[in-house]
Amino acid sequence: DTGVSQNPRHKITKRGQNVTFRCDPISEHNRLYWYRQTLGQGPEFLTYFQNEAQLEKSRLLSDRFSAERPKGSFSTLEIQRTEQGDSAMYLCASSLGSGGSYGDTQYFGPGTRLTVL
Amino acid sequence: AQTVTQSQPEMSVQEAETVTLSCTYDTSENNYYLFWYKQPPSRQMILVIRQEAYKQQNATENRFSVNFQKAAKSFSLKISDSQLGDTAMYFCAFMFGGTASKLTFGTGTRLQVTL
Repeated sequence: DTGVSQNPRHKITKRGQNVTFRCDPISEHNRLYWYRQTLGQGPEFLTYFQNEAQLEKSRLLSDRFSAERPKGSFSTLEIQRTEQGDSAMYLCASSLGSGGSYGDTQYFGPGTRLTVL
Repeated sequence: AQTVTQSQPEMSVQEAETVTLSCTYDTSENNYYLFWYKQPPSRQMILVIRQEAYKQQNATENRFSVNFQKAAKSFSLKISDSQLGDTAMYFCAFMFGGTASKLTFGTGTRLQVTL
């Protein structure tokens, strides 16, 4: 029973470059979340998928950020034209939800640490 | 919008002792869930305990228990018989029980367990 995996674990890039992160949720989990965590802070919600549908996006997710979850399995988070302020840990979580019920426990991956030089 | 406040940035406890971490939240909702997550140094976040707001009974998980005071909007975590492996950042988190599934986190409490 594997947990949530994220790749790469670390990414160093120069300002202005594009980066893409991948998240593989726990098998059969239908809900997937992205969060961003900066040093000394708690994670902040970015976006949420139920199956392949992106149901909610935070105002933190500027137009340089895009997330996808094709076929309702793995998800990618792309940041275009990176800025130094994008340096953070990007966390992915997944959960198993049924119908209109909520409150399901989210299981987190190890995160991708992004450093923008 | 919901907010979560953890007023203790750092705490220390000796091994085998008991420690309580504080968390308060602000919401106008009645249907919600509360969580404590643990994030060990350089390791991923894991769930410690969860509480449904509609349940009056405080949740317990082995050495971990909560004191849920709904009227006061308080959700503290008690760790009994502290172990070195409990050293970590602890985050309190809120989830609205309606249409949104996102977690709103506090800023965390860094707990150090010493010999």
